[in-house]
Amino acid sequence: GQQVMQIPQYQHVQEGEDFTTYCNSSTTLSNIQWYKQRPGGHPVFLIQLVKSGEVKKQKRLTFQFGEAKKNSSLHITATQTTDVGTYFCAARMYSGGGADGLTFGKGTHLIIQP
Amino acid sequence: EAQVTQNPRYLITVTGKKLTVTCSQNMNHEYMSWYRQDPGLGLRQIYYSMNVEVTDKGDVPEGYKVSRKEKRNFPLILESPSPNQTSLYFCASSLLTSGSDPPGEQFFGPGTRLTVL
Repeated sequence: GQQVMQIPQYQHVQEGEDFTTYCNSSTTLSNIQWYKQRPGGHPVFLIQLVKSGEVKKQKRLTFQFGEAKKNSSLHITATQTTDVGTYFCAARMYSGGGADGLTFGKGTHLIIQP
Repeated sequence: EAQVTQNPRYLITVTGKKLTVTCSQNMNHEYMSWYRQDPGLGLRQIYYSMNVEVTDKGDVPEGYKVSRKEKRNFPLILESPSPNQTSLYFCASSLLTSGSDPPGEQFFGPGTRLTVL
């Protein structure tokens, strides 16, 4: 089936360094959502991007949606230990009509070394 | 408090013994969904429902059944569980404003860890 590729799978950073995770699709995406899952927890919604080229910021987090609506990124500036967890993108694959299921990327595990 | 609840939270069972994992939400959401999470595979959608009596297959529906008789409840049924269904299961719900709009923010339940021996 249709897939959303997310890279990298793991990212080790020193506290204070920046972090970026990327999601890519071979097909046009209707929208893209980002979630964070803390170890032992459940996914928690961060943001949804809908428009081509859209950029949204939440404090140290910057989310981008590509012009062609086939890729997206999440960038964290100056990571903190509270940023530890797995970050997932999720996309509704454009079907031309009607709601569709959500496809999640496999996630990027962010590990922070103090 | 707005929430999605799942029961049980932990379950150990044996191959072939039918089981049901319940999911309930109190936010009047139209869209409900079940996911399984496995190491290295991320979250994969099993089934979803856009409203009462409307269900559809996700990416990995084999071996699972669902029903949506009421808006707030979306149980996941394993008629004959097998060891490859050992996983962490999440239920989620969200608003769905119309049939052509994407599901909005997904609210996830706490998860059900299932082990099939």
